Amino acid sequence: AQTVTQSQPEMSVQEAETVTLSCTYDTSESDYYLFWYKQPPSRQMILVIRQEAYKQQNATENRFSVNFQKAAKSFSLKISDSQLGDAAMYFCAYRSAEDNNDMRFGAGTRLTVKP
Amino acid sequence: NAGVTQTPKFQVLKTGQSMTLQCAQDMNHEYMSWYRQDPGMGLRLIHYSVGAGITDQGEVPNGYNVSRSTTEDFPLRLLSAAPSQTSVYFCASSLLTGVHSPLHFGNGTRLTVT
Repeated sequence: AQTVTQSQPEMSVQEAETVTLSCTYDTSESDYYLFWYKQPPSRQMILVIRQEAYKQQNATENRFSVNFQKAAKSFSLKISDSQLGDAAMYFCAYRSAEDNNDMRFGAGTRLTVKP
Repeated sequence: NAGVTQTPKFQVLKTGQSMTLQCAQDMNHEYMSWYRQDPGMGLRLIHYSVGAGITDQGEVPNGYNVSRSTTEDFPLRLLSAAPSQTSVYFCASSLLTGVHSPLHFGNGTRLTVT
């Protein structure tokens, strides 16, 4: 079974600075999707960004971008110009294209933003 | 624009009691699922469904039952609650295929079993 590893349980960043959250995954599949979800204290799970494995170009959504390294099975999230509202738990997730029922999550990284 | 509606938000049960967590979505999604979230473990899949009348087990199914009588509803039943089931539960739905298939989550239920 695929596994998703987030090696940083906690990270902190100064407001307006840039931070990168790490995610690695283990799979033998060639086609899959990767996601980053944000969970603020409200507990709501919010999709931040998504990437399809077949697309070479790294996804970008405003201040959020990813560094997708397929060969290294790495999918890091970069947050630029960090804001206080970015403070949350961030989860990396993997979804198989062959078996859509299989979506795996990492353990999460808690991001603190210091004013 | 309701999305995924999950009730209740909070619940306290005593060991051995039963209850049903409700989940409904209005996006005509084929896929629905239940996850539990525990500290340091991320989200783990309990049960899922790919359409009305079809359900299957996920990673941690023991102690939980589900049914899918309609496309919209996917309730999760705890038949005899145990303290190990203390967790935050999320219902989620999505389309079945394609890059436009991220999970849409409900707001979660915090369940405490004493």
